[in-house]
Amino acid sequence: GAVVSQHPSRVICKSGTSVKIECRSLDFQATTMFWYRQFPKKSLMLMATSNEGSKATYEQGVEKDKFLINHASLTLSTLTVTSAHPEDSSFYICSGRIGETQYFGPGTRLLVL
Amino acid sequence: AQSVTQLGSHVSVSEGALVLLRCNYSSSVPPYLFWYVQYPNQGLQLLLKYTTGATLVKGINGFEAEFKKSETSFHLTKPSAHMSDAAEYFCAVNDAGGTSYGKLTFGQGTILTVHP
Repeated sequence: GAVVSQHPSRVICKSGTSVKIECRSLDFQATTMFWYRQFPKKSLMLMATSNEGSKATYEQGVEKDKFLINHASLTLSTLTVTSAHPEDSSFYICSGRIGETQYFGPGTRLLVL
Repeated sequence: AQSVTQLGSHVSVSEGALVLLRCNYSSSVPPYLFWYVQYPNQGLQLLLKYTTGATLVKGINGFEAEFKKSETSFHLTKPSAHMSDAAEYFCAVNDAGGTSYGKLTFGQGTILTVHP
């Protein structure tokens, strides 16, 4: 149980375009999902907390207008990287929360050219 | 505020040897503690967690960890390493009693290498 999927697993886009990443809880309902960014050989950096039916809560230093989060249902949260730039290239990981435990998706590798 | 320190960014062991990955935490409230494993280009998989009750917790793949409040530690062990254990391991703490319930603070990670 507690399976989280992400789509796409890898994406390459041109600078200036927008990219949407989906995070789905497959066998549970997640009122809260989290979005992380992971740089090479680094730990996870929490970007935002996504709450179903309400606005996301962004961590300090994360641009809310650049990283748009929508949590329209209990099983789906999306992260849209708007006007992507090469410095946005990274590994993005989401998680769904059950009680005190987070269950993670497989991650999405974004490369912006 | 909570924090996690993993001592040793790289640990190397021989196959069959004891695995010990160290984690110390700081939390102003009783913590919930977690160990996750990450294989290359993959997400994180939950190995084990401590919330309340028994301080020695057993997880998947033969791993276990012991919560020691007096030492503010939650070290991860496995009696006998297997080649498939080679991965990066993250210790994390959850501010169980605070307003940021559910948010995890991660350590910097420890890369485990297993030699034949």
